[in-house]
Amino acid sequence: ETGVTQSPTHLIKTRGQQVTLRCSSQSGHNTVSWYQQALGQGPQFIFQYYREEENGRGNFPPRFSGLQFPNYSSELNVNALELDDSALYLCASSQDREGNTIYFGEGSWLTVV
Amino acid sequence: AQSVTQPDIHITVSEGASLELRCNYSYGATPYLFWYVQSPGQGLQLLLKYFSGDTLVQGIKGFEAEFKRSQSSFNLRKPSVHWSDAAEYFCAVGARQAGTALIFGKGTTLSVSS
Repeated sequence: ETGVTQSPTHLIKTRGQQVTLRCSSQSGHNTVSWYQQALGQGPQFIFQYYREEENGRGNFPPRFSGLQFPNYSSELNVNALELDDSALYLCASSQDREGNTIYFGEGSWLTVV
Repeated sequence: AQSVTQPDIHITVSEGASLELRCNYSYGATPYLFWYVQSPGQGLQLLLKYFSGDTLVQGIKGFEAEFKRSQSSFNLRKPSVHWSDAAEYFCAVGARQAGTALIFGKGTTLSVSS
């Protein structure tokens, strides 16, 4: 049990639609990242939030955006969905930015048809 | 370029035999190193991590890993594999200042034969 909860667990969207995925971290975890894991691949870093501000971004287009809230829960929003966005989306959190254990949620499976 | 290489895509080990999964990294800053395990359809579970200090790190489920700076490696080992160890294993690298931003390898699939 990592204390990181993601919702929904599975969802199906149509190409061109928008999706919002949610993550609830452990209490006190002020740093959160989102990852995309395509089938058969390792997770790829999308972006990180620290104290409600984006603090690092991977090689993903602007249609991938996020929010972190004062209670340190967070959202990943993806606009104009493409078929290649079909993947497992993982949320990871830690107590701060500087080197602590990083905990992952179970992920949200997104299928774009 | 920063990267993690896991040279073995798929390994099959007999139950009770020893295991070593290889991981090499390229990273500009002092690395923080992690091994995660993922069962089918599940999220990532942390096996062990190395931040500093003793280069031989003990983790959960009887796993250990050794950090070798000269070889840029962080190989995962287990002396006796159990059938329940069959899963996908990921090596990842980060840094103190990078927080939760990690670079992952492509993973090694472990199969355990009886």
